[in-house]
Amino acid sequence: AQKITQTQPGMFVQEKEAVTLDCTYDTSDQSYGLFWYKQPSSGEMIFLIYQGSYDEQNATEGRYSLNFQKARKSANLVISASQLGDSAMYFCAMRGLQTGANNLFFGTGTRLTVIP
Amino acid sequence: ETGVTQTPRHLVMGMTNKKSLKCEQHLGHNAMYWYKQSAKKPLELMFVYNFKEQTENNSVPSRFSPECPNSSHLFLHLHTLQPEDSALYLCASSQWAFGTGAVYEAFFGQGTRLTVV
Repeated sequence: AQKITQTQPGMFVQEKEAVTLDCTYDTSDQSYGLFWYKQPSSGEMIFLIYQGSYDEQNATEGRYSLNFQKARKSANLVISASQLGDSAMYFCAMRGLQTGANNLFFGTGTRLTVIP
Repeated sequence: ETGVTQTPRHLVMGMTNKKSLKCEQHLGHNAMYWYKQSAKKPLELMFVYNFKEQTENNSVPSRFSPECPNSSHLFLHLHTLQPEDSALYLCASSQWAFGTGAVYEAFFGQGTRLTVV
């Protein structure tokens, strides 16, 4: 079974500051992928960043970086230089490769509010 | 044109109605998904189709009936729904390369906001 935990229901950050959104996971799979998605009020889920379980380097995509600590089973999202448009729900997700099932499991999300 | 398109964007239906949600992807993917998003709950995976074959049905009530006529289209047929079925229904697609070790992100549509009255 796979489980994603996001313990921060809501976060506030000042514009231009950095913010870290927490994500921990649990899986019996040896090989898996971790994803972060952004969901603005329009409803669409927007893919942000991906980290493979065997990737030695932390993933980065522009202002997004993933702080992957495999031993702690955490995959925190770091957003640098926050912008007002970053205000949205953020979801951590995971897909295991060894179960054979093509499932993508999501956490409960964190609502980020960027303050001017 | 967006990658994954869902119609309608909003739907209000009575408990005795029959309606269908439509999803179309223009990304050449071979896997499609239906998710349900209720307030304050994680996204719930409902159905998965790989290469047009249903591979997952996560104990979804039979009043929800999926259909995948080809790898680009996915439908969710609704009948005799309950008020607790009101939610945002999200469709997604991705590549699925089972056995290769490759992991691909899923791309989502904007969802259908369903209200059952």
